[in-house]
Amino acid sequence: GENVEQHPSTLSVQEGDSAVIKCTYSDSASNYFPWYKQELGKGPQLIIDIRSNVGEKKDQRIAVTLNKTAKHFSLHITETQPEDSAVYFCANGRKITGNQFYFGTGTSLTVIP
Amino acid sequence: DGGITQSPKYLFRKEGQNVTLSCEQNLNHDAMYWYRQDPGQGLRLIYYSQIVNDFQKGDIAEGYSVSREKKESFPLTVTSAQKNPTAFYLCASSIRGRVAEAFFGQGTRLTVV
Repeated sequence: GENVEQHPSTLSVQEGDSAVIKCTYSDSASNYFPWYKQELGKGPQLIIDIRSNVGEKKDQRIAVTLNKTAKHFSLHITETQPEDSAVYFCANGRKITGNQFYFGTGTSLTVIP
Repeated sequence: DGGITQSPKYLFRKEGQNVTLSCEQNLNHDAMYWYRQDPGQGLRLIYYSQIVNDFQKGDIAEGYSVSREKKESFPLTVTSAQKNPTAFYLCASSIRGRVAEAFFGQGTRLTVV
């Protein structure tokens, strides 16, 4: 099956600094790459996604980049705030309308005030 | 308010007993999913259902069973055949086929002693 590796597993940054989380995947047929944020005691929520025909996508302080040749994609959070503290998961799938996605192992982000 | 509700939040069972986790949604979604979340691992798909009275095995279906008698409900039974049932279980729902945009419940933490 698909293997999605996510790094780092834990990340601490000072408020206002940037945070970067990286994922690599093995399925060359993957076309859709969502990112989820899971706050303590809650289920994951989709925060941003990118499709394979795009190299970068930005939404306010969050951006995602994709390198299909190297099979890796990254989440970038700028000007971090304490409320960004959560566990972040990457995932990939063959198409947005597919029924199954493979999740990374998660990154616990702590933003220090 | 529309949403997806899992109950209970915490569940304790003795080894060898079957236990059923509840998942209800009022989002009018056709598709529903059950995931298992373990420390240091990504979410893994147990079962999914795209329509009432139909469901499919995910990657780790052994030791679990589901039913989908109503659109709103997708209960998961953890049977005594599941070798390591202690975990955090997440239920999700989505428009059919769009699992990446699924709404997740808050999860049930099952502890088997």
